[in-house]
Amino acid sequence: NAGVTQTPKFRILKIGQSMTLQCTQDMNHNYMYWYRQDPGMGLKLIYYSVGAGITDKGEVPNGYNVSRSTTEDFPLRLELAAPSQTSVYFCASTKDSTLSYEQYFGPGTRLTVT
Amino acid sequence: AQKITQTQPGMFVQEKEAVTLDCTYDTSDPSYGLFWYKQPSSGEMIFLIYQGSYDQQNATEGRYSLNFQKARKSANLVISASQLGDSAMYFCAMRELSSGGSYIPTFGRGTSLIVHP
Repeated sequence: NAGVTQTPKFRILKIGQSMTLQCTQDMNHNYMYWYRQDPGMGLKLIYYSVGAGITDKGEVPNGYNVSRSTTEDFPLRLELAAPSQTSVYFCASTKDSTLSYEQYFGPGTRLTVT
Repeated sequence: AQKITQTQPGMFVQEKEAVTLDCTYDTSDPSYGLFWYKQPSSGEMIFLIYQGSYDQQNATEGRYSLNFQKARKSANLVISASQLGDSAMYFCAMRELSSGGSYIPTFGRGTSLIVHP
């Protein structure tokens, strides 16, 4: 099992550009999440999904969009990138059942918007 | 009000000693869960321990234990016999039912732990 994979690892965007952060998990987890982590801070939830075709906003959704067409994939789309979106982005997944509530995290994507 | 509060921005401990990292939480959901994660300087998030709100006993995982005091709404992480490799950021998180009917997590700001030789 690869667990949770994210691509790219690093990216520099110019203001106004768009990009998609990819996230894939091979554990058949129903829940998937996107977080951002600003320097010296905890993780803030951007969007989450409880299954294919179902997504919902988290604490900081503005400027982002997501889709979940399959159980495995949960891409995060940034439209019109702004310097405020400079952050480290983590994707995570969990089965969220009585058997396990542990979230499995990807390695993160470090994004800089200049 | 913050859902997860970690009041210690930084903690220092001598190698081989025990250390307690504080976490208090706020929720009206009777069925919630509490987690601790470790984030070393390399950046990955590592799951340490989980405590459900209905669990009668404190969770333990090796050198990690969670001191769960439900009435005080605290879920402190205790690391016994600290090792140099324990130096990292530690995040407390809570899983609770959202208004949308799904369980979603909230993270605290973290505590930086430095273990001295």
